[in-house]
Amino acid sequence: GESVGLHLPTLSVQEGDNSIINCAYSNSASDYFIWYKQESGKGPQFIIDIRSNMDKRQGQRVTVLLNKTVKHLSLQIAATQPGDSAVYFCAENNAGNMLTFGGGTRLMVKP
Amino acid sequence: GAVVSQHPSRVICKSGTSVKIECRSLDFQATTMFWYRQFPKQSLMLMATSNEGSKATYEQGVEKDKFLINHASLTLSTLTVTSAHPEDSSFYICSAMPSGRVGSGNTIYFGEGSWLTVV
Repeated sequence: GESVGLHLPTLSVQEGDNSIINCAYSNSASDYFIWYKQESGKGPQFIIDIRSNMDKRQGQRVTVLLNKTVKHLSLQIAATQPGDSAVYFCAENNAGNMLTFGGGTRLMVKP
Repeated sequence: GAVVSQHPSRVICKSGTSVKIECRSLDFQATTMFWYRQFPKQSLMLMATSNEGSKATYEQGVEKDKFLINHASLTLSTLTVTSAHPEDSSFYICSAMPSGRVGSGNTIYFGEGSWLTVV
């Protein structure tokens, strides 16, 4: 079936640098996307979301980009901090209120 | 603060016993809640959709008689793992959304998760 996937399982960045986490989705009917951050032993924490009628949305230090042409979603974190170290999941919604999750990317921030 | 609360956060039970995990929406009513299971270093796997006032919808491969779900009110869903075995040990997470269609301004929030260890 269609699913959401990620290009990179682990991303290591230097503190202060910008991070880009990528996500590919295959269901063209998906119309809503969410990025979650999950720290070890905790539940996913909402970061930012975007609807399919937008291609960019900004939050505090984070930006989500959506490219519907190539079915690609990315999360940009500016000035990455040690506290940003976590696993990041993208999720898509295309039916009711169910989410399909990607495999996750672990972000490691080096001091 | 948390808008979805899970309890207990950690539980250890003996093999063969049953354990109940609660999921509460704190600031809103949730017609639908979702239960996930997560193994170490893996993504979240949807187990079932909990619908207030009706039977839960289970994903393929999830035993409904083993994982009992009750959604008796708009703010509470419970997952009961019956006759637990060591292979049921996992991280269980619930999610909920204010009633209505998902979208910007009406998103899905997760609980903090519950660690289940069956010994």
